[in-house]
Amino acid sequence: LAKTTQPISMDSYEGQEVNITCSHNNIATNDYITWYQQFPSQGPRFIIQGYKTKVTNEVASLFIPADRKSSTLSLPRVSLSDTAVYYCLVGVLPFHAGNNRKLIWGLGTSLAVNP
Amino acid sequence: DGGITQSPKYLFRKEGQNVTLSCEQNLNHDAMYWYRQDPGQGLRLIYYSQIVNDFQKGDIAEGYSVSREKKESFPLTVTSAQKNPTAFYLCATAPRGDTEAFFGQGTRLTVV
Repeated sequence: LAKTTQPISMDSYEGQEVNITCSHNNIATNDYITWYQQFPSQGPRFIIQGYKTKVTNEVASLFIPADRKSSTLSLPRVSLSDTAVYYCLVGVLPFHAGNNRKLIWGLGTSLAVNP
Repeated sequence: DGGITQSPKYLFRKEGQNVTLSCEQNLNHDAMYWYRQDPGQGLRLIYYSQIVNDFQKGDIAEGYSVSREKKESFPLTVTSAQKNPTAFYLCATAPRGDTEAFFGQGTRLTVV
């Protein structure tokens, strides 16, 4: 199983760039790297997903080095509303026939954005 | 999210009673999932279904049951055999071949 390690918590201020790094040393060839955001008492929300190099969308960037043993979620110019728990997941949904690399949800990183 | 409806948002039951949590989706997604989240823990997979009339056990299926009679619906029954049912339950869906899951708003079940 693809286990991930990420900081338990981080603090930042409005307007700053936040980088959250996730380690996943036993990532498999077919595994994707996916980040979710979760607010209290709500379901997680997909942020970004990548396989290698860099992926960017309207809310974040994901940097993946060549060995894929880690990844960094970058949130540009955070605001108070970005205060949430961020989960790094490695694997694929238990959807594909024969797949045994189910997504494992860790504790996530609790990001606090201060005024 | 918008296309996934979990009801009710809060649910209270007495110990020993079965309770069914509803999950309905209008996203036309093939796969549906049930997760459980406890305070300070990540999500744990209870059951999942890739297609109508078929479902698979996840990592913590004991004490739970599901059905998938319609593509739009994947209800979860928490039976009296579940030793610690108080938790936040999340339903998710995914389109065929995709690796992104879409989550509902969750149902917080409290058993007293």
